[in-house]
Amino acid sequence: TQLLEQSPQFLSIQEGENLTVYCNSSSVFSSLQWYRQEPGEGPVLLVTVVTGGEVKKLKRLTFQFGDARKDSSLHITAAQPGDTGLYLCAKAGRGAQKLVFGQGTRLTINP
Amino acid sequence: EAGVAQSPRYKIIEKRQSVAFWCNPISGHATLYWYQQILGQGPKLLIQFQNNGVVDDSQLPKDRFSAERLKGVDSTLKIQPAKLEDSAVYLCASSLGQMMNTEAFFGQGTRLTVV
Repeated sequence: TQLLEQSPQFLSIQEGENLTVYCNSSSVFSSLQWYRQEPGEGPVLLVTVVTGGEVKKLKRLTFQFGDARKDSSLHITAAQPGDTGLYLCAKAGRGAQKLVFGQGTRLTINP
Repeated sequence: EAGVAQSPRYKIIEKRQSVAFWCNPISGHATLYWYQQILGQGPKLLIQFQNNGVVDDSQLPKDRFSAERLKGVDSTLKIQPAKLEDSAVYLCASSLGQMMNTEAFFGQGTRLTVV
């Protein structure tokens, strides 16, 4: 059973467009992580959000944690082909709590 | 610093055969994870170790899958016997595991094809 629902599952857009992908849950989480996975590689951490309402920016990527800490979004401005990949959100916890992933959003940016 | 090492990168076996995967985590990382990632899906946690103890193995098919982490460092994941539906990428990850929201570092994975 997936605790995290990601949408959309697939997204294909043209270079230069903006996009937003979502990660939702019925449960409250202490924090959330976003990873990006490229073909043939393991996921790589992009950001961790901890506080409800928190916004973090990483160049053209903007991450937001919902006020109720049940949802998160990733917004990409002026998407580039290098942004292509599988974007995964993951429930993170302190210490030895298990790390659980959503099913991911597969993003394709066309030149 | 060296990353998480996994071997082999690729493996093709026939159904009912056995297979083993090896993982060497980042030095000093207490937590080690094994994930199964079926094509088009997110990683599914199979088992999580804290040092050489099992923290969670609730989604490990224990009738055919086994894993161990002797001495709290390297780990092996075994499938015996394999089924067609075991075809997937098996990812190993490690983290310090001692702090809140610790980052998990992943290996490149082992792509298993069962025919």
